[in-house]
Amino acid sequence: KQEVTQIPAALSVPEGENLVLNCSFTDSAIYNLQWFRQDPGKGLTSLLLIQSSQREQTSGRLNASLDKSSGRSTLYIAASQPGDSATYLCALYTGANSKLTFGKGITLSVRP
Amino acid sequence: GAVVSQHPSRVICKSGTSVKIECRSLDFQATTMFWYRQFPKQSLMLMATSNEGSKATYEQGVEKDKFLINHASLTLSTLTVTSAHPEDSSFYICSARKRGGVNEQFFGPGTRLTVL
Repeated sequence: KQEVTQIPAALSVPEGENLVLNCSFTDSAIYNLQWFRQDPGKGLTSLLLIQSSQREQTSGRLNASLDKSSGRSTLYIAASQPGDSATYLCALYTGANSKLTFGKGITLSVRP
Repeated sequence: GAVVSQHPSRVICKSGTSVKIECRSLDFQATTMFWYRQFPKQSLMLMATSNEGSKATYEQGVEKDKFLINHASLTLSTLTVTSAHPEDSSFYICSARKRGGVNEQFFGPGTRLTVL
């Protein structure tokens, strides 16, 4: 059974810092991996989708990488801002029509 | 593109009543929609998967007679919480997968249900 782990559960950093959020999974046979952001009381906003044939995706200050062999994905946030404060969820698909398997998320706080 | 809406965003109801939540894909057709439930400070829990024109598939432990799902068109799925009780109070989020697209889900903004 695929398991997705995100450690630590919470992270607090000063504004301007570059940071890396980690996601690990137990089964390397994944289809796609998706990073989401969730603000308190809100739905999920998709940040980046990495297909299994890709190694990374970039959008603005965000860069997500995928290493299936080691069972890891990282979300890199450059020059963090207080507006980046949110919970970041890693989730993956195990097949073309499969459900999403979520990690528990990392709650990020960026201090002004 | 790929916008999903939910209505209502918040609902408060009395115990014993039924509540319907709508999930719409606004700018794409969705053959599959998903319903999740989220408790405070926890991740999303998949409740059921609905495919247009067919019965929903419920996850283990989810009562299908309590959480009625209808996916009557390629842009609309509804979740009805029947005979709601305070323990049904939660944040309900839907998502949709594009018809013919890669396996990627687009999420709605969620509905906060409070049962008094």
